[in-house]
Amino acid sequence: ETGVTQSPTHLIKTRGQQVTLRCSSQSGHNTVSWYQQALGQGPQFIFQYYREEENGRGNFPPRFSGLQFPNYSSELNVNALELDDSALYLCASSPQTAGGGVNSPLHFGNGTRLTVT
Amino acid sequence: AQSVTQLGSHVSVSEGALVLLRCNYSSSVPPYLFWYVQYPNQGLQLLLKYTTGATLVKGINGFEAEFKKSETSFHLTKPSAHMSDAAEYFCAVREAGAQKLVFGQGTRLTINP
Repeated sequence: ETGVTQSPTHLIKTRGQQVTLRCSSQSGHNTVSWYQQALGQGPQFIFQYYREEENGRGNFPPRFSGLQFPNYSSELNVNALELDDSALYLCASSPQTAGGGVNSPLHFGNGTRLTVT
Repeated sequence: AQSVTQLGSHVSVSEGALVLLRCNYSSSVPPYLFWYVQYPNQGLQLLLKYTTGATLVKGINGFEAEFKKSETSFHLTKPSAHMSDAAEYFCAVREAGAQKLVFGQGTRLTINP
């Protein structure tokens, strides 16, 4: 089975610019979550998408937004980039149901390393 | 609110020695608990999970963890360290009905030859 794939692997942007990161979920997984991992820190939850709608959000400002497509792939968009947005962005998929299926483990991609200068 | 504390940001052991990585959590409801491993320039790989049932959980690569509700702990152990175990390890908690995983700060495991 194909795992979670993310693109690009590395990205360098300038403060104030906008960026789009992409994620293809693992086969059979209908839920996608995004996490931000700053250097030396644990990942922090940004948001989750199920059935093309956001159904959970962490403590991130509105300039972090996302999309999920009918094939369950997803995008993370960040507007007005700031230096502190420099991090590894991880996408994770899981086979959750509308009821939650919350004991389903997340399957992570290798991430996109974003550097904002 | 959920939180996870990993005691020791860096643990160093000799090859063949016992590995013990400590994790304590706080949660207002019975939690689901996870350990993930991250190798350099890679994403997170699930080592093991606890949801319900047996409190001693066995995972991949010879790792295991024990859920102790009275101590709010979920420590990760491996009887004999191997050089390939060198990586960053993250403990995480998720409450029933919640979407997000809450991660600890991570513990970097170094194996000395």
